[in-house]
Amino acid sequence: SYELTQPLSVSVALGQTARITCGGNNIGSKNVHWYQQKPGQAPVLVIYRDSDRPSGIPERFSGSNSGNTATLTISRAQAGDEADYYCQVWDSSTVVFGEGTKLTVL
Amino acid sequence: QVTLKESGPVLVKPTETLTLTCTVSGFSLSNGRMGVSWIRQPPGKALEWLAHIFSNDEESYTTSLKSRLTISKDTPKSQVVLIMTNMDPVDTATYYCARALKPDWFDPWGQGTLVTVSS
Repeated sequence: SYELTQPLSVSVALGQTARITCGGNNIGSKNVHWYQQKPGQAPVLVIYRDSDRPSGIPERFSGSNSGNTATLTISRAQAGDEADYYCQVWDSSTVVFGEGTKLTVL
Repeated sequence: QVTLKESGPVLVKPTETLTLTCTVSGFSLSNGRMGVSWIRQPPGKALEWLAHIFSNDEESYTTSLKSRLTISKDTPKSQVVLIMTNMDPVDTATYYCARALKPDWFDPWGQGTLVTVSS
């Protein structure tokens, strides 16, 4: 079965750039989607189809996908960006989520 | 406005069967581009996809739980139902339903419902 690998945690200084990776075999050939989940809340879509932003998501959030790694980039990180982030793909008509990355803004 | 809302028991006993209902509004379950998934999250743990029902009524399940899961939909009632048999304490989790376009990304998600399995 297909697996997605994310770092358990990422730290970023306030105002700096955070990058969260999502690794998978030839993930560049798939559409990757990213979700933000704050404590006690349901996940929210922040990036879809590798790099598209839903309406209402700040331009500070961007994504890329190539080879075996997809990346979620958060520019000018704010305290409100502290959350868990999950990547997601479809593989053979099933859904795969990464294990999630806890982003800490210092 | 598109919304999804989960409903069902908050407490079930081990070996019992869990039935959860996702009531949707703002879109039709017969729309060819829409489907609905169930996803769960044990306390403090990661998201785990369980099942999906496509617009053409085809179903898909996670391999590890396939024998215990059934997903179905009632289009006139705008409801998607998940049945999970033989519940165990390790199934304690918040259960979410979410709309998938195409199917591809999930947006939006329901608020989730916490189900505790305990005797």
